[in-house]
Amino acid sequence: GESVGLHLPTLSVQEGDNSIINCAYSNSASDYFIWYKQESGKGPQFIIDIRSNMDKRQGQRVTVLLNKTVKHLSLQIAATQPGDSAVYFCAENKGDAGNMLTFGGGTRLMVKP
Amino acid sequence: DVKVTQSSRYLVKRTGEKVFLECVQDMDHENMFWYRQDPGLGLRLIYFSYDVKMKEKGDIPEGYSVSREKKERFSLILESASTNQTSMYLCASSLNEGYGYTFGSGTRLTVV
Repeated sequence: GESVGLHLPTLSVQEGDNSIINCAYSNSASDYFIWYKQESGKGPQFIIDIRSNMDKRQGQRVTVLLNKTVKHLSLQIAATQPGDSAVYFCAENKGDAGNMLTFGGGTRLMVKP
Repeated sequence: DVKVTQSSRYLVKRTGEKVFLECVQDMDHENMFWYRQDPGLGLRLIYFSYDVKMKEKGDIPEGYSVSREKKERFSLILESASTNQTSMYLCASSLNEGYGYTFGSGTRLTVV
């Protein structure tokens, strides 16, 4: 079946380093992708999104890259801070009616001081 | 900013009780969703709704029902709570196609 997945379940980085979280998707019809951040005990928060007509989108300290050729999505966090420690989910929208998102399993980012 | 408010952060209920989880959004979103989140299982869709009085089953609807009498409110009902329904419940809302979801802060339900 079609799925959204992540390469690494846990990522540990040093404070100040850059972080890269990866996500593979298998549905070539997906046209919209989102990254969410979920801190312990809280609901997921929207970080950044990208549509399939773009390869890259930048936010504040975050960049999302989309490689449609290999169906790969990544989230880059610059100068990672302790407050970035959380679980990060990717999600894809296949463009079906009703705006259904398919979520990845999540990657835990741990920032070492 | 869109706000999705879940009425309780923590709930403890007894087996067999009828449980209501309430969710309200304030931005006139058409779509609303209920998920449960368990360690190792990720987000699993219970029910969703595209419009008032409309509901669709998600991936794991058994043991749950929903109600959407007003556009802003989407309620999840556990008809007879069981211990395997102990979980984190997340409500979300969105506009129509091509938009992300806004999530509530979650309700951690424990059934004893």
